[in-house]
Amino acid sequence: ERVMTQSPATLSVSPGDRVTLSCRASQDISTNLAWYQQKPGQAPRLLIYRVSTRASEIPDRFSGSGSGTEFTLTISSLQSEDCAVYYCQQYFNRPPWTFGQGTKVELK
Amino acid sequence: QVTLKESGPALVKPTQTLTLTCAFSGFSLTQPGMRVTWIRQPPGKALEFLARLDWDGEKFYSNSLKTRLTISKDSSKNEVVLTVTNLDPVDTATYFCVRDLGHLDFWGQGILVTVSS
Repeated sequence: ERVMTQSPATLSVSPGDRVTLSCRASQDISTNLAWYQQKPGQAPRLLIYRVSTRASEIPDRFSGSGSGTEFTLTISSLQSEDCAVYYCQQYFNRPPWTFGQGTKVELK
Repeated sequence: QVTLKESGPALVKPTQTLTLTCAFSGFSLTQPGMRVTWIRQPPGKALEFLARLDWDGEKFYSNSLKTRLTISKDSSKNEVVLTVTNLDPVDTATYFCVRDLGHLDFWGQGILVTVSS
């Protein structure tokens, strides 16, 4: 089973900051990587799939990159509504899918 | 428009069996490539894959929970059912059903299930 490791656990940022979140896979997952945003009391929302493809209606300040085992989610200019927990998920080959432990983005 | 909604009991006792239903619309599980997956999230913790049912009837389960899980579909309705046997308080979580294209593009609102005597 592929283990997904996210860093950091918490990120304290200011509006307008460029924010970078990392996700590492224990084995090569090619480009089978998605990112989700979850706000308190809500279901996760798909942000990005196939490493860098934005889901429907996701603002272009969100971008993804990477391949193999190292991946990054970037928020180019943080808005207050972007404060949330972000999860990466691998979907290489066959289930079970696995998720990272999440990165919480909060305002300083 | 794709929607999914979970239903089931909010409170169950330890050792009991949990049955959750996912009612979905906007797609068909008979359509090639369509799949429905169950994910859970204990309070304050990360997301965990539980089970997936594919359009062709193939099923996949969590390695650690597969002896306790069964996923099935009601062929007369657009519903997928998950059963979890021998519940324990550590199974307390919000359970989500999702449309699974590899990435999980549509999520239900989730249902909080508490396991307590």
